[in-house]
Amino acid sequence: DGGITQSPKYLFRKEGQNVTLSCEQNLNHDAMYWYRQDPGQGLRLIYYSQIVNDFQKGDIAEGYSVSREKKESFPLTVTSAQKNPTAFYLCASSIRPTSGRETQYFGPGTRLLVL
Amino acid sequence: AQSVAQPEDQVNVAEGNPLTVKCTYSVSGNPYLFWYVQYPNRGLQFLLKYITGDNLVKGSYGFEAEFNKSQTSFHLKKPSALVSDSALYFCAVRDADSWGKLQFGAGTQVVVTP
Repeated sequence: DGGITQSPKYLFRKEGQNVTLSCEQNLNHDAMYWYRQDPGQGLRLIYYSQIVNDFQKGDIAEGYSVSREKKESFPLTVTSAQKNPTAFYLCASSIRPTSGRETQYFGPGTRLLVL
Repeated sequence: AQSVAQPEDQVNVAEGNPLTVKCTYSVSGNPYLFWYVQYPNRGLQFLLKYITGDNLVKGSYGFEAEFNKSQTSFHLKKPSALVSDSALYFCAVRDADSWGKLQFGAGTQVVVTP
């Protein structure tokens, strides 16, 4: 899991509640990513950021929001608009993508459960 | 558009036997291919990648993968499996136009029995 930390390890959300997942990296990587993992579906990209103060929607951004105020941090907020939030959330980082050859390195993940 | 398929949900192998996990891909240009491994309730660990050059790529923990352009495949292999290799394996692909966006397969569960 290298220099990427995610917290908390487990998170419980009540109906109508927004929750924020933390992701911090000390690898000096410019790019950061958020993925959602559901059983049998692989990983799906939620949001990604190439550089501070910039981010783009991935394939399943609805119901999620992010910010990138610092190079080291890329928090993900799961809003009440996300109707099926139960999943395993993975954060990743890489050097700034320029050629497509860059390797993404992953954090240990946060499991979100709905009460 | 890019896509990747892992045709087997699960692979069962006895310890000491060869292990193969299959992956096929579809991209519009030259592919960049990756293999990751995931242990229960953990993040993904990078194993190896193919960018260009030799078709046989060697990676971590004794794993290797063979790139076959004509068959659009990138199968992961290990000559002698260990019980500790039991995990979930993901193949991922990116083409040169998709910069940071990796497309992941659904994953293959490997079970190595003593």
